[in-house]
Amino acid sequence: AQSVAQPEDQVNVAEGNPLTVKCTYSVSGNPYLFWYVQYPNRGLQFLLKYITGDNLVKGSYGFEAEFNKSQTSFHLKKPSALVSDSALYFCAVREGAGNNRKLIWGLGTSLAVNP
Amino acid sequence: DTEVTQTPKHLVMGMTNKKSLKCEQHMGHRAMYWYKQKAKKPPELMFVYSYEKLSINESVPSRFSPECPNSSLLNLHLHALQPEDSALYLCASSQGGGSSYEQYFGPGTRLTVT
Repeated sequence: AQSVAQPEDQVNVAEGNPLTVKCTYSVSGNPYLFWYVQYPNRGLQFLLKYITGDNLVKGSYGFEAEFNKSQTSFHLKKPSALVSDSALYFCAVREGAGNNRKLIWGLGTSLAVNP
Repeated sequence: DTEVTQTPKHLVMGMTNKKSLKCEQHMGHRAMYWYKQKAKKPPELMFVYSYEKLSINESVPSRFSPECPNSSLLNLHLHALQPEDSALYLCASSQGGGSSYEQYFGPGTRLTVT
């Protein structure tokens, strides 16, 4: 079965510093990987995805993620963190076949950006 | 327009009430989803509709009843809920049910069962 792990419950970073939110995955076959963000009391917002192609994927709000097949990782990065980036971040992998494909979610990482 | 709307924003209901949650999207998406989310946890998939047909039911109790009247609308009918059903209920849609499609989420309905 497919799975994702987010090894850090909480990440703290100073404003202006680079940030990394980690995600590792376990899949059979080609991985379809996604990052979502959830701001307080809001629904989830899609940030970016890896399907195939370039290992560096660029997404919304200046975020990017690097797909590393050998390390089975898909870490989310941003060169310079903003206080407004403080939120809950989820990594997810798609599993299933046909119309029964669903997202398998990591447990989430809470990012706090300190001014 | 990448917006999914949900009504109501908040709902308080007793254990004997019947209520409905509504979700709407106008992106032409053909897959729609209901999720339940507890605080600081990942969303839990409840139902998936693909081309207006129920394609996934994650063994959800029958007190939750989904309905997809057309390709833009998704309802979740609630009846005889339990206090542990209190949660944020999220609707999402995607272009299709395939692996490569990202899901777009609504803001959710915060449900409290008393």
